[in-house]
Amino acid sequence: DAKTTQPPSMDCAEGRAANLPCNHSTISGNEYVYWYRQIHSQGPQYIIHGLKNNETNEMASLIITEDRKSSTLILPHATLRDTAVYYCIHTGDSSYKLIFGSGTRLLVRP
Amino acid sequence: DADVTQTPRNRITKTGKRIMLECSQTKGHDRMYWYRQDPGLGLRLIYYSFDVKDINKGEISDGYSVSRQAQAKFSLSLESAIPNQTALYFCATSDLRFGGDGSQYFGPGTRLTVL
Repeated sequence: DAKTTQPPSMDCAEGRAANLPCNHSTISGNEYVYWYRQIHSQGPQYIIHGLKNNETNEMASLIITEDRKSSTLILPHATLRDTAVYYCIHTGDSSYKLIFGSGTRLLVRP
Repeated sequence: DADVTQTPRNRITKTGKRIMLECSQTKGHDRMYWYRQDPGLGLRLIYYSFDVKDINKGEISDGYSVSRQAQAKFSLSLESAIPNQTALYFCATSDLRFGGDGSQYFGPGTRLTVL
């Protein structure tokens, strides 16, 4: 099964950038990296995904290393509402099979 | 209105009872999924369906069954509920045309307690 490694917890100050790292050394050449977050017990929310190039949308930026073995999710100006568990996922052989690990619990401090 | 809805939102039932959780979506997506989440853990895939005539088992399908009644509806049944099926259940949808299968959109969840 596809496996990612993330720090269990992080914190940052409100208004500052939150940089969440993820290692995915087993990723293969055609697999995307996906990021989701889950606020308390709500349904997970899709944030962003990428293959090789860096990506940006209205929620976040995704930086993928050249060897594709790791990536960083950047929330440029974290707010208190960004406090959540963030999951980094790559899908392995089956693109639909999201395997959620333990994620990173991000706490945004006032 | 929410794109993916789940009913009921909360349910308490007794061991041995049959229970159905329902999911409806207005996103027009072909693919639908059922996950469960246990406290402090990530989500695990129970069943998935790529279209009305396609049903597939996920990693933890034992004790569950599903029905895809229409493109927009996907229900999950516990034929004889047991306490270790107490969990938070999520339905999700995806469409290859919009970000691929990895970009899934989740419902608000159903909290199920089996006594």
